Amino acid sequence: GQQVMQIPQYQHVQEGEDFTTYCNSSTTLSNIQWYKQRPGGHPVFLIQLVKSGEVKKQKRLTFQFGEAKKNSSLHITATQTTDVGTYFCAGRNNNNDMRFGAGTRLTVKP
Amino acid sequence: DAGVIQSPRHEVTEMGQEVTLRCKPISGHNSLFWYRQTMMRGLELLIYFNNNVPIDDSGMPEDRFSAKMPNASFSTLKIQPSEPRDSAVYFCASRPTGSNQPQHFGDGTRLSIL
Repeated sequence: GQQVMQIPQYQHVQEGEDFTTYCNSSTTLSNIQWYKQRPGGHPVFLIQLVKSGEVKKQKRLTFQFGEAKKNSSLHITATQTTDVGTYFCAGRNNNNDMRFGAGTRLTVKP
Repeated sequence: DAGVIQSPRHEVTEMGQEVTLRCKPISGHNSLFWYRQTMMRGLELLIYFNNNVPIDDSGMPEDRFSAKMPNASFSTLKIQPSEPRDSAVYFCASRPTGSNQPQHFGDGTRLSIL
């Protein structure tokens, strides 16, 4: 079945440093969504990517969808303490099944 | 707007007891999902419904777990009998019509089985 692999599992950065998390799928995706879960909270939708090679930005966050629509990345420029949390990708395949990655837990040292 | 409402927020019970988790999706959303989250296994999809009909229950761990959606505004996830390894945070999420729509998660139920 479809698998969505996400790395790294954990990332600890100094405030101001950049951060990137990567997702890879074993199958071609129709779209990919990104969610953020703050400590003690629930996942909250951030963005969706649909087109091959698509790049979207939200302030300091940059989301990319690979040309082959099998991988995606989330990059945060100049992290802040408010960026702390777990970032999940969720990939939807052509059978309309959506699966979440394991998430990347980001901690930021002030 | 009211989001996805889950109850209870916390549940602590002894192993062997029946546990029922409840979810009220956002009005108008026609898809509902149940997830389990643990440190070891991350976020796992247990089951999801479209228009109150279970579509994929392949994530339900075993026969002790069952889920129902008797109407568009209510769903339950039941564990009977419960075991300590069932301890986790259980999330319910709902989604509007259209598979490209984002899922909206409830605050979760933190379940501890002693």
